[in-house]
Amino acid sequence: EVQLLESGGGLVQPGGSLRLSCAASGFTFSSYAMSWVRQAPGKGLEWVSAISGSGGSTYYADSVKGRFTISRDNSKNTLYLQMNSLRAEDTAVYYCAKVLNYYDSSGSNCFDYWGQGTLVTVSS
Amino acid sequence: DIQMTQSPSSLSASVGDRVTITCRASQSISSYLNWYQQKPGKAPKLLIYAASSLQSGVPSRFSGSGSGTDFTLTISSLQPEDFATYYCQQSYSTPRITFGPGTKVDIK
Repeated sequence: EVQLLESGGGLVQPGGSLRLSCAASGFTFSSYAMSWVRQAPGKGLEWVSAISGSGGSTYYADSVKGRFTISRDNSKNTLYLQMNSLRAEDTAVYYCAKVLNYYDSSGSNCFDYWGQGTLVTVSS
Repeated sequence: DIQMTQSPSSLSASVGDRVTITCRASQSISSYLNWYQQKPGKAPKLLIYAASSLQSGVPSRFSGSGSGTDFTLTISSLQPEDFATYYCQQSYSTPRITFGPGTKVDIK
């Protein structure tokens, strides 16, 4: 059974830092790209960042580029999101999600498994 | 970035009703369109991928159609457990994917 378990959320002051973790199990972690998706309170879903299976390629939304860093440790089956220079607008539930490539083309993917989410609150 | 819109933003329906939700992309995305269901306080759940492929374990009352810029999610006979918010998501511009704003389905 695929399981994704996020941790590391909490209350942080504006300008502060936080590192989120996502522990994966039930699949060959290194074979799959992973993403972080966030949801501000009462709002919709926003893609934040993605990383290839090897960790060699990383991608970011413009809203977090230069402040957030995605990484993974395939020996520990764990995905990370280092968040620096946090702003009030970063307040959200952060989900990690497993990427499924259903065909061999760049756009043929979806998020087939999601974690339960971890809440990040940026406030003084 | 590719913008996604959904209509309606919310709807009220009764158990047994046929429900249709529309998703539109700001440019052609071929069939690179996925649908998710989210219940309050829970993570999203994949329902449909590639516009019309049913994810394993999802009831057959859910179906998707469309290509290019216009897509629909249909629930053929609404069940009590289907009251939730539904999001479309384009993967054409992977990795810079975008979600629609969501459609909330509640009880009439």
